[in-house]
Amino acid sequence: QKEVEQDPGPLSVPEGAIVSLNCTYSNSAFQYFMWYRQYSRKGPELLMYTYSSGNKEDGRFTAQVDKSSKYISLFIRDSQPSDSATYLCAMSVLGRDDKIIFGKGTRLHILP
Amino acid sequence: DTAVSQTPKYLVTQMGNDKSIKCEQNLGHDTMYWYKQDSKKFLKIMFSYNNKELIINETVPNRFSPKSPDKAHLNLHINSLELGDSAVYFCASSQDTVGTQKQYFGPGTRLTVT
Repeated sequence: QKEVEQDPGPLSVPEGAIVSLNCTYSNSAFQYFMWYRQYSRKGPELLMYTYSSGNKEDGRFTAQVDKSSKYISLFIRDSQPSDSATYLCAMSVLGRDDKIIFGKGTRLHILP
Repeated sequence: DTAVSQTPKYLVTQMGNDKSIKCEQNLGHDTMYWYKQDSKKFLKIMFSYNNKELIINETVPNRFSPKSPDKAHLNLHINSLELGDSAVYFCASSQDTVGTQKQYFGPGTRLTVT
């Protein structure tokens, strides 16, 4: 089993819909959870992060972590065509020499 | 102003050649990274340097050798290129090595080995 599993998609939804993106993981030591957004032919950029379990909201974006189920989600409300990108979940164990483990990314298309 | 820059943006070369990719960050960060993103978009760390000291050295062939002349620069030299080295290579930087630090990625170098 891979450390981080993410459905690669593509996921196509109409503009204005609520989008749900998910990842599962196997390492219970992960404590820090992130979502990166990557536009085509660009580098990833950090979108949101959460520490341990719980929810975090930022505008149209909500990140959720359920450590008991080893499951994280990113919700996008009122989706826009400009949200079309690849979304990568990422996570790390807290320590000096941390490395971030990335999921494979989900390609999202918002249809106008 | 570009935060993390890489050169070249595209690199097409033949098997067996040696090539280098350069990375520079102007964010004043202490830590820099090299990542490889394969054709399936899987992003995996290769190396990290903190203040010119090698911190993370993942299981990559020793044909890959990173070099950090100062904390603002991290170069990647690849010897005897193979077809499987074709990928997009991303440089990134962060304030320090702790995994909670936001990483800033460069635009990537698309390497094609023929």
